[in-house]
Amino acid sequence: QSALTQPASVSGSPGQSITISCTGTSSDVGNYNYVSWYQHHPGKAPKLMIYEVSNRPSGISNRFSGSKSGNTASLTISGLQAEDEADYYCSSYTGSSVSYVFGTGTKVTVL
Amino acid sequence: QVQLVQSGGEVKKPGASVKVSCKTSGYNFKSYSISWVRQAPGQGLEWMGWISTYNGDTNYAQNLQGRVTMTTDTSTSKVYMELRNLRSDDTAVYYCARDLGSYCTSSSCYPIGYYFDYWGQGTLVTVSS
Repeated sequence: QSALTQPASVSGSPGQSITISCTGTSSDVGNYNYVSWYQHHPGKAPKLMIYEVSNRPSGISNRFSGSKSGNTASLTISGLQAEDEADYYCSSYTGSSVSYVFGTGTKVTVL
Repeated sequence: QVQLVQSGGEVKKPGASVKVSCKTSGYNFKSYSISWVRQAPGQGLEWMGWISTYNGDTNYAQNLQGRVTMTTDTSTSKVYMELRNLRSDDTAVYYCARDLGSYCTSSSCYPIGYYFDYWGQGTLVTVSS
């Protein structure tokens, strides 16, 4: 199973909006509404930000939103803040029992 | 509150084995399955496999088949990940994560969703001669 494709880096100024794409195939992203997104600060545990394409867990800011079209999912961060600077990973269910694939990861920089 | 606490860092020689533990608390251990995820230096997250804490069913990533074994100990609410025949490219931080892909009651197991809602703090495994 090949990793989902994400841009290596995305940057924006405070207050701006950015979007991170996550491209898979018809066997993973395109076939299931089970895309999740994780925020990862170096040295810390990853944190769930979005599940099932567009749902936010309790406690996650509504500045984070998710969507999907065909084989590509997207995470949008609006009103960018300094604390949003981190690595972001998408993940998709791939079927066949319980199995997953992660994206290649995107480093978000707040200018 | 839900917590996943992993064992400490390890240094191993090539060809050796490592066993990392993940102690869970704050919820019914047998209700939620666990996945293991690793991150090599400078690399992204990689899903390694999944284990049902209810019945021990497993599913491993294809590239690790034959080298990885995941087990559970219900008496201590711990999950273990053993990786054998270590190579230098197994050097990574290893995470356990609570997996919603199989939620089990006394009568059945079914997916709540396919994602990881709580993570352990990570265990650095260094493979070096």
